[in-house]
Amino acid sequence: EIVMTQSPATLSVSPGERATLSCRASQSVSSNLAWYQQKPGQAPRLLIYGASTRATGIPARFSGSGSGTEFTLTISSLQSEDFAVYYCQQYNNWPPAPFFGQGTKLEIK
Amino acid sequence: EVQLVQSGAEVKKPGESLKISCKGSGYSFTSYWIGWVRQMPGKGLEWMGIIYPGDSDTRYSPSFQGQVTISADKSISTAYLQWSSLKASDTAMYYCVRLGDSSGYLVFGDYWGQGTLVTVSS
Repeated sequence: EIVMTQSPATLSVSPGERATLSCRASQSVSSNLAWYQQKPGQAPRLLIYGASTRATGIPARFSGSGSGTEFTLTISSLQSEDFAVYYCQQYNNWPPAPFFGQGTKLEIK
Repeated sequence: EVQLVQSGAEVKKPGESLKISCKGSGYSFTSYWIGWVRQMPGKGLEWMGIIYPGDSDTRYSPSFQGQVTISADKSISTAYLQWSSLKASDTAMYYCVRLGDSSGYLVFGDYWGQGTLVTVSS
């Protein structure tokens, strides 16, 4: 089982600043890594897949990087609507199962 | 516009059966895998399994194998998640998700339903 670990659990950042979220896999997942955003009371939304490809309609301020076991989601200039929980998910080993990280809550400083 | 519209919230008793649905529109329903994701209250996300509506090929995550049944009716562009005997621990939000890759091996979701809240309580 591949374990995904996200850090930090909570990140406090001021609007307009840059946010950097990390995701680590317990073994290599190549570039098979996705990032999702979930706001309270809403379904998750795909932001990034293939570690660095933005999904349809995702603003350019969101970028993903990394491969193997270390990944980063960067939001270049935080907007008010970006404060949410962010999950990474590896999809390199299906079967048995693709696993999500535990999430990083991005909150307003 | 791609849309996945799920059935409404359910309140059930332990031991009861349940089938929830997810209707796809705005794309070729038989050409994309559909998955189900569980989110227990205040918790993270878990893939339960996926189905290819074109031929009903179905794959389950080990944790959910034997616990739920995933099915689809391509004639009405609808996927289903069902339980034969609910437990209190099945209380959760359930999302249907269209997979962004057609192979069925790169399991990430590009479009999500709004979620169906299932509450199991005596």
